[in-house]
Amino acid sequence: QKEVEQDPGPLSVPEGAIVSLNCTYSNSAFQYFMWYRQYSRKGPELLMYTYSSGNKEDGRFTAQVDKSSKYISLFIRDSQPSDSATYLCAMSKMDNNDMRFGAGTRLTVKP
Amino acid sequence: GAVVSQHPSRVICKSGTSVKIECRSLDFQATTMFWYRQFPKQSLMLMATSNEGSKATYEQGVEKDKFLINHASLTLSTLTVTSAHPEDSSFYICSASDTGNYGYTFGSGTRLTVV
Repeated sequence: QKEVEQDPGPLSVPEGAIVSLNCTYSNSAFQYFMWYRQYSRKGPELLMYTYSSGNKEDGRFTAQVDKSSKYISLFIRDSQPSDSATYLCAMSKMDNNDMRFGAGTRLTVKP
Repeated sequence: GAVVSQHPSRVICKSGTSVKIECRSLDFQATTMFWYRQFPKQSLMLMATSNEGSKATYEQGVEKDKFLINHASLTLSTLTVTSAHPEDSSFYICSASDTGNYGYTFGSGTRLTVV
């Protein structure tokens, strides 16, 4: 079993839809949870950073962490074609240390 | 915010030659940098952790003599792919940790094609 599981998709939605991206993990020691966005042939860029359980909102993006279920989510409201990218979840036991990545979900938002 | 510059963005080399990829932290000091490899439609695979002033720590299965890492200063780490072969063709990405910011900052990646 992989430490971090993420459905690679691809996921295709119409513009304006709410997108839900998810990851599950097996190691209960993970405390720091991140979502990265990666455009084609570019390096990943940090979207959201969450410590422990709870929700965090930033504009159209909401990150949720449920440590009891070992499940994290990223919601994108009012999705735009510019949101089309691969989204990777990542997590670590300590801050900025030994980060583990999901496989990435490829999202396409159609105009 | 923190910026990591990676060069070159794309390189084509002949089989048997060596290629050097540079990763620079532009506005912060990075005692630790990370090198990843990414195949098409797959996630990041950590190759090694580069520590300033000491030897890199390689992940299991990564040949340290083939993928030479040098982290000579707090702002520069280099990855040299030695005696490259077509199977080394991939997307290589570096990242660095800035204690002032959350998460890792990634470089823009280097697409290596060995012909």
